[in-house]
Amino acid sequence: QQQVKQSPQSLIVQKGGIPIINCAYENTAFDYFPWYQQFPGKGPALLIAIRPDVSEKKEGRFTISFNKSAKQFSLHIMDSQPGDSATYFCAASKGYALNFGKGTSLLVTP
Amino acid sequence: DGGITQSPKYLFRKEGQNVTLSCEQNLNHDAMYWYRQDPGQGLRLIYYSQIVNDFQKGDIAEGYSVSREKKESFPLTVTSAQKNPTAFYLCASSAGLEETQYFGPGTRLLVL
Repeated sequence: QQQVKQSPQSLIVQKGGIPIINCAYENTAFDYFPWYQQFPGKGPALLIAIRPDVSEKKEGRFTISFNKSAKQFSLHIMDSQPGDSATYFCAASKGYALNFGKGTSLLVTP
Repeated sequence: DGGITQSPKYLFRKEGQNVTLSCEQNLNHDAMYWYRQDPGQGLRLIYYSQIVNDFQKGDIAEGYSVSREKKESFPLTVTSAQKNPTAFYLCASSAGLEETQYFGPGTRLLVL
């Protein structure tokens, strides 16, 4: 059973656009929500993470929005660049177990 | 240069063969993990270890085995009992079980 549902599966935006990737979860015990970025043939790298005591977190061009009541969180990439083209995974956890979404393949065109 | 190393980058397994994937970290992390990644899927947890000489099964442990004899090393053996081993295998580590997990570069396992 997929504990974290991620959408869309793929996304194409033009340079400078703002891609938005959404995730939803069911388990209200989850208390840590990281986003990972993965380039082909490489391991995932932590991008940004949030805990449910805040509704938004920004790090550079990346922003997480968190809606605890709706059990949803999303990643926004401001001023997207071709170098941001990668697969993005959201995850949710309580303790050790990271529950991953299935990933979103992002393509930023020049 | 701190980090997590995995070797080999590519590994080929013959029918009925056991193969071992290496994972080493020099981050002084206590916890280590093994994940499996299939195309179009998220990562799924195979095994994890909180401390030396202790490890626990994850969601898909059948057909796999691990050991944790040293803090910095957490090798994964894919046994012949794993009937569908073709996947990208990722090792991760964290300072503690509830800390941020950092991933290695991965090993791609292919079946001949």
